[in-house]
Amino acid sequence: AQSVAQPEDQVNVAEGNPLTVKCTYSVSGNPYLFWYVQYPNRGLQFLLKYITGDNLVKGSYGFEAEFNKSQTSFHLKKPSALVSDSALYFCAVRDMNSVMRFGAGTRLTVKP
Amino acid sequence: NAGVTQTPKFRILKIGQSMTLQCTQDMNHNYMYWYRQDPGMGLKLIYYSVGAGITDKGEVPNGYNVSRSTTEDFPLRLELAAPSQTSVYFCASSDQGTVNEQFFGPGTRLTVL
Repeated sequence: AQSVAQPEDQVNVAEGNPLTVKCTYSVSGNPYLFWYVQYPNRGLQFLLKYITGDNLVKGSYGFEAEFNKSQTSFHLKKPSALVSDSALYFCAVRDMNSVMRFGAGTRLTVKP
Repeated sequence: NAGVTQTPKFRILKIGQSMTLQCTQDMNHNYMYWYRQDPGMGLKLIYYSVGAGITDKGEVPNGYNVSRSTTEDFPLRLELAAPSQTSVYFCASSDQGTVNEQFFGPGTRLTVL
């Protein structure tokens, strides 16, 4: 079955440091992978997606993600974290039935 | 554009009561979705629709019903509320399916007591 896993419930980084939020996937065929962010009491907002092409995908708010087929990973990254990046981050994969499968989420806290 | 709007924002139901969660989008998207978000569990798809008059079950459809009479509206009906349906419900829409990004509403927090 198509699925994603986010191995870390919580990630803490200091402002200005690089951040990584991890995601691994399990799919049959080519994966369609997504990252969304959720701020408190809000719906999810799209950050970026990988469909095909370059393994490094650039998205909103300075975020990027690297698709690694051999490691079946799609980690979210940002070179310099901001306090305002603190939020809940979800990785997702579209399965063979076009249903979006979300990970459990990773709470990112950026401390001043 | 208002995007995706949901009403109500909060609701408390008693066991066995019924209610309809409203969802409207003004982006002329043909795909619409209902998810529930339980703590630590990510989002689970309840129902989705690929266009007016067409709906299909997602991962967790039991206890819910939907209809799609117009492109804009996709209401979710709970017929006999149960405590297991306590959750935050999100409606979303997308253009041409799940290859494209989904736009989410602000959510409805439902408690069943």
